[in-house]
Amino acid sequence: SQQGEEDPQALSIQEGENATMNCSYKTSINNLQWYRQNSGRGLVHLILIRSNEREKHSGRLRVTLDTSKKSSSLLITASRAADTASYFCATVNSGGSNYKLTFGKGTLLTVNP
Amino acid sequence: ETGVTQTPRHLVMGMTNKKSLKCEQHLGHNAMYWYKQSAKKPLELMFVYSLEERVENNSVPSRFSPECPNSSHLFLHLHTLQPEDSALYLCASSQGGGNYYGYTFGSGTRLTVV
Repeated sequence: SQQGEEDPQALSIQEGENATMNCSYKTSINNLQWYRQNSGRGLVHLILIRSNEREKHSGRLRVTLDTSKKSSSLLITASRAADTASYFCATVNSGGSNYKLTFGKGTLLTVNP
Repeated sequence: ETGVTQTPRHLVMGMTNKKSLKCEQHLGHNAMYWYKQSAKKPLELMFVYSLEERVENNSVPSRFSPECPNSSHLFLHLHTLQPEDSALYLCASSQGGGNYYGYTFGSGTRLTVV
């Protein structure tokens, strides 16, 4: 069953602009993860943020987590055409199986040169 | 390459055929997964193996049969599939479950059932 839900479903920006994607989820989590998927390929793990963390950075990526609102955001700064991909949030629910990573439907990001 | 290799990349099969998807990981991970990705739907977890034992089976029809002979190899045996089974099948691996580390995915097998 779907846990995370990304917003917006699609986002189109110009190269150099920042891109922000949001994820909302329903139940308490152990951690939340973001993945990228280029068209028709496998997913690539970007970042994992634990339920007791509020913000995490990795290169041009910044992830925030607000457990009171059950939401997370992924910010990509200074976007490049190569960032064009679908981005998914996924959660490991607290109290559930730690082998069950549940994904949302994703945000399709298009970065125009 | 991610360290998780899936073969074949593309597969077209008839509804009466029997075929197998193969996944191999070179990362020393101890858990492996099959996911199904259909258009406009979230990724669906199908099966999970940890230390070669199946730990999750998400109500998948019996026409899908997984096999994990060792911690590096995972198969998905397919028989008498339906057209709605056409999808991208993704294999992933991890060290332990998802509590501490992310998953590493293969590039997937694009399956078309005709």
